[in-house]
Amino acid sequence: QKEVEQNSGPLSVPEGAIASLNCTYSDRGSQSFFWYRQYSGKSPELIMSIYSNGDKEDGRFTAQLNKASQYVSLLIRDSQPSDSATYLCAVTPGGFKTIFGAGTRLFVKA
Amino acid sequence: GAGVSQSPSNKVTEKGKDVELRCDPISGHTALYWYRQSLGQGLEFLIYFQGNSAPDKSGLPSDRFSAERTGGSVSTLTIQRTQQEDSAVYLCASSLGGPDEKLFFGSGTQLSVL
Repeated sequence: QKEVEQNSGPLSVPEGAIASLNCTYSDRGSQSFFWYRQYSGKSPELIMSIYSNGDKEDGRFTAQLNKASQYVSLLIRDSQPSDSATYLCAVTPGGFKTIFGAGTRLFVKA
Repeated sequence: GAGVSQSPSNKVTEKGKDVELRCDPISGHTALYWYRQSLGQGLEFLIYFQGNSAPDKSGLPSDRFSAERTGGSVSTLTIQRTQQEDSAVYLCASSLGGPDEKLFFGSGTQLSVL
């Protein structure tokens, strides 16, 4: 079992819709959870971090964490074509090293 | 510099040659990571340095891969006897250390093994 699993997509949503991205992880001792965005040909950049169960909102982005289910999600409201990118879920299990999922490709159609 | 610096940005080499990739992290960052990203794939963890602790080498794919970090700053990733399957983008990232800290990435080195 991979340590961090994501649906590779692509996920296609119309402009203005809500995009929902999901991630599961295997290490119950994981402490920190991140969503990075990577545009084609560019390096990843952090968009959200979450450390405790529940929701965390930042502008159009909401991260959701459920440690009992070992599940992390990212919701993007009012999706824009500029949100089209690959979204990488990252988890820090015990030992502090950060492990990434394979990423979900998102396309927002104008 | 203000960000993580990697060099070279592109490297083309022949199968069997050795290559060295360099990473200069953000000043003051104690943690340094190397990841590998093949075309259309996610980030594969290679190695993690944290301060003066022994590095976590659990992600290195074979003994042809090695990395060092001198003086807690600059890191070099060395690939010996390169193979075509080593072709990928090699990304370096640094952070302030600890599990809550976000990673800052360099622009990567695109390695092509012919």
